[in-house]
Amino acid sequence: SQKIEQNSEALNIQEGKTATLTCNYTNYSPAYLQWYRQDPGRGPVFLLLIRENEKEKRKERLKVTFDTTLKQSLFHITASQPADSATYLCALPPAGGGNKLTFGTGTQLKVEL
Amino acid sequence: DVKVTQSSRYLVKRTGEKVFLECVQDMDHENMFWYRQDPGLGLRLIYFSYDVKMKEKGDIPEGYSVSREKKERFSLILESASTNQTSMYLCASSRQKQTDTQYFGPGTRLTVL
Repeated sequence: SQKIEQNSEALNIQEGKTATLTCNYTNYSPAYLQWYRQDPGRGPVFLLLIRENEKEKRKERLKVTFDTTLKQSLFHITASQPADSATYLCALPPAGGGNKLTFGTGTQLKVEL
Repeated sequence: DVKVTQSSRYLVKRTGEKVFLECVQDMDHENMFWYRQDPGLGLRLIYFSYDVKMKEKGDIPEGYSVSREKKERFSLILESASTNQTSMYLCASSRQKQTDTQYFGPGTRLTVL
């Protein structure tokens, strides 16, 4: 079955810097990958979806890349702000398609002043 | 905006009680999901429903059942609550389209004493 790995250690960065979070996966080639943000005590909120034929996707200060050779997605937040502090989850569909998603355990980002 | 609501934000129950968690979505989504989220383990799928009265087991269905009598409502039932079911429970919904994102409710933090 597919395995998703996100860095379990929190990432601490200074305000204004670029945060880069990693999502690695094994055992198959997903048709797309999604990124979600989760604040403490709340449900995840969708941020971006990137398909296997897209190298990069941008939305305001967010950028996602998808390297199907490395089996890795990188999630970047440029000009980070304290309000960006949250846990970020990547999610992949099952092998063969379908509506279910498998979520990574998430990486906590802390942006300090 | 899609809205997914859950019946309680916090719930405290005793071992052996029957527990009902309710989820309602207002966007006519075909798919509905129940997850539990525990530290270090991430989001794990309990059950998935793709239509009224239709359900599929997720990764951890043991000790749970579900009911979907109406399209907008998906209930999670703990037949006999146990302390290891203490967790954050999250409901989500999505359209049938394969790449569609999931919209999450605010979560129910259940404590079983």
